[in-house]
Amino acid sequence: GAGVSQSPSNKVTEKGKDVELRCDPISGHTALYWYRQSLGQGLEFLIYFQGNSAPDKSGLPSDRFSAERTGGSVSTLTIQRTQQEDSAVYLCASSTGLAANTGELFFGEGSRLTVL
Amino acid sequence: AQSVTQLDSHVSVSEGTPVLLRCNYSSSYSPSLFWYVQHPNKGLQLLLKYTSAATLVKGINGFEAEFKKSETSFHLTKPSAHMSDAAEYFCVVSDRASGGSYIPTFGRGTSLIVHP
Repeated sequence: GAGVSQSPSNKVTEKGKDVELRCDPISGHTALYWYRQSLGQGLEFLIYFQGNSAPDKSGLPSDRFSAERTGGSVSTLTIQRTQQEDSAVYLCASSTGLAANTGELFFGEGSRLTVL
Repeated sequence: AQSVTQLDSHVSVSEGTPVLLRCNYSSSYSPSLFWYVQHPNKGLQLLLKYTSAATLVKGINGFEAEFKKSETSFHLTKPSAHMSDAAEYFCVVSDRASGGSYIPTFGRGTSLIVHP
C-alpha cells in the first residue's frame, strides 16, 4: 500500500501477557518513529529508528518495552507482561531522511491496545 | 530541550465563524513547527509546516499559521469554519536533539467543535 500500515488495529489482552505490534512504513522511508497516545493526552515519543538502528530510545517507559526494525523496513514493538496502564493507541510514523531533518512524519492509523 | 503548549484543550465555534487554535513553543534551536489534524478513527495528517522560510504558512483546507519568534507562538487560524473541520489538532515542534536526530514533540491537542 501507499501509506504506513499498522497491525493489529485493535488488540485486547489480559494483564501479564506479551503483545507485539507491527508497523510497515512507506517504502523507501529510512526513519521510523513509535509514539503512544493515551486518552486525553498528546503523543508520547517512544523510540526512533534510522535504518535498523535506534539512535534514540529514550521514550521507552520501562524495560518491558522493546522494539526492533529489520531490513530497514518493518518494525515490531513488543510489550512484555502488559499492565493496565499500557492501554493506549500506539502510533507508528515514517519519514524520508530529508523530511526527518525537519520532523515531517507520515502516520499509520494506530494499534489500539486494551489491557484487561 | 523543546516543548509545546496548546493553550486550549477545547475550542467551540459556529460554522462560518473564524477559528483560532493557540500554540506556544520552546526550543533551543531554530525549530521546525507543524500542525497535524486527527479526525475520529483516522490517522494523523499534516496540515501545514514552518521550516524557516516564510513566516506565514498556508496549509490544506484553508488553514494557515503564523510563526512569531518574538512571541514563540505558532497559532493556527481559518477565516470560516466548516463542519468537516471538527477534529483534534496537534501543534508540533522539532529541533535537533542531542545526537543530531530530530524527534518531534507533540502538544496535548485541541479538540475543535463546530456547531451548525
